[in-house]
Amino acid sequence: KAGVTQTPRYLIKTRGQQVTLSCSPISGHRSVSWYQQTPGQGLQFLFEYFSETQRNKGNFPGRFSGRQFSNSRSEMNVSTLELGDSALYLCASSLQESYEQYFGPGTRLTVT
Amino acid sequence: EDKVVQSPLSLVVHEGDTVTLNCSYEVTNFRSLLWYKQEKKAPTFLFMLTSSGIEKKSGRLSSILDKKELFSILNITATQTGDSAIYLCAVGSGGSNYKLTFGKGTLLTVNP
Repeated sequence: KAGVTQTPRYLIKTRGQQVTLSCSPISGHRSVSWYQQTPGQGLQFLFEYFSETQRNKGNFPGRFSGRQFSNSRSEMNVSTLELGDSALYLCASSLQESYEQYFGPGTRLTVT
Repeated sequence: EDKVVQSPLSLVVHEGDTVTLNCSYEVTNFRSLLWYKQEKKAPTFLFMLTSSGIEKKSGRLSSILDKKELFSILNITATQTGDSAIYLCAVGSGGSNYKLTFGKGTLLTVNP
C-alpha cells in the first residue's frame, strides 16, 4: 500500500501571501490530521477531518483552515502568512479516529 | 490543557547500551499512548498502547503503559547507531473530538 503523500515537499513564500498544502492519505484511511512542527514548540495539532467533517481543531488562529474531500484527500490553507508560520507541516492518516496515525513526509514551508 | 512530558530531553549512549525513555501525561479522556521514531523525516509509528501493564515488543524495542501512574516507558536494548533519532510520545484523548498531543521528544544519540 502506498503511504501518505504530501505536496509540495518544499515551499518558499513571502509574508502576506497565502498557501495551500495537499495530503493524500493511505488508501482506505478516512481520518486525516494536520500538525505543525517547529524546533521550539515540537509537534502541535492543527485539525482533524473525518468523512469531510472537521471534528477537532487545535489552538491556532483562524488563518489556518482546512478541508477534506469525498476521496479523503485533504488540503490545508494558511492565509496572510507570517514569519512564524515557517515550519514543517505534517499530515497523518488513520483508519478511524483513535487508531494509530501514519505520517506523510511533510511540507517544509519557509516564509520570508 | 492536555500535557505530555518526555524525559530525558537528550541522551548519548554507546552501541550495545540499554536505554529507557520516559513519558508522563495529563490528559482528559485518555484513549491511547503512541510512540514514534523521527529521523530526518516524518515520524514513523512504533507502538500504540491502550491497556495498562501489557508490554508491546518489536525486536529490541519494547514499551509498557501504567494508566494508574499516567506514564509509559520505551526500552531499547543492545542499541545500534541506527537507533539514533528523536523518539516522540503522543497521547490520544477525547471522544468525537479525538486528537494526539505530542511531547517534545527525546533525542537519542548512539555512538559507535
